[in-house]
Amino acid sequence: IAGITQAPTSQILAAGRRMTLRCTQDMRHNAMYWYRQDLGLGLRLIHYSNTAGTTGKGEVPDGYSVSRANTDDFPLTLASAVPSQTSVYFCASSEASVGEQFFGPGTRLTVL
Amino acid sequence: GQNIDQPTEMTATEGAIVQINCTYQTSGFNGLFWYQQHAGEAPTFLSYNVLDGLEEKGRFSSFLSRSKGYSYLLLKELQMKDSASYLCAVLDSNYQLIWGAGTKLIIKP
Repeated sequence: IAGITQAPTSQILAAGRRMTLRCTQDMRHNAMYWYRQDLGLGLRLIHYSNTAGTTGKGEVPDGYSVSRANTDDFPLTLASAVPSQTSVYFCASSEASVGEQFFGPGTRLTVL
Repeated sequence: GQNIDQPTEMTATEGAIVQINCTYQTSGFNGLFWYQQHAGEAPTFLSYNVLDGLEEKGRFSSFLSRSKGYSYLLLKELQMKDSASYLCAVLDSNYQLIWGAGTKLIIKP
């Protein structure tokens, strides 16, 4: 692994289903983030974690949950997917909360 | 509320110079970032400004005026591979990045 990986690359999901997007980094970065990117809008922060064991809410947290059991992994869970959660999801990490963020390749999620 | 404004789309010619502007109104300021994003790919870091002035890095330069809430990204000697979206983002008082919607730059031969 080099950098940040995300899985799956894309997914089509029925509304009401539960889905977990996976994110793993091998840079030993303390901070990790989940964003969604929608056409015509800037990246919007869903949840973040400044260090393993802690998480915080971003701008659009409703309908999503995260956990940070260790430094490397930061999964994002949609408990019951809705069509408005159709988006491209990016995971990112940074050495500290102030620094440059490195992005994963993204997950394209469609909720029908 | 917090707001980052940048033009939606710009067109420039290969070999020319283009300036992409960004204005911001945020709760606090801890630095401004520029990222490049090619279609279908992840954003990649270009520059970071926290003090007023110009930061130069090869063909790319970024300028910041904190008193005016203004930044620009200057791209020189444009190449076809520079066709991408350019994202402006401000680190606010909570150390969260607030992102503009991005400027799609189209380079014509």
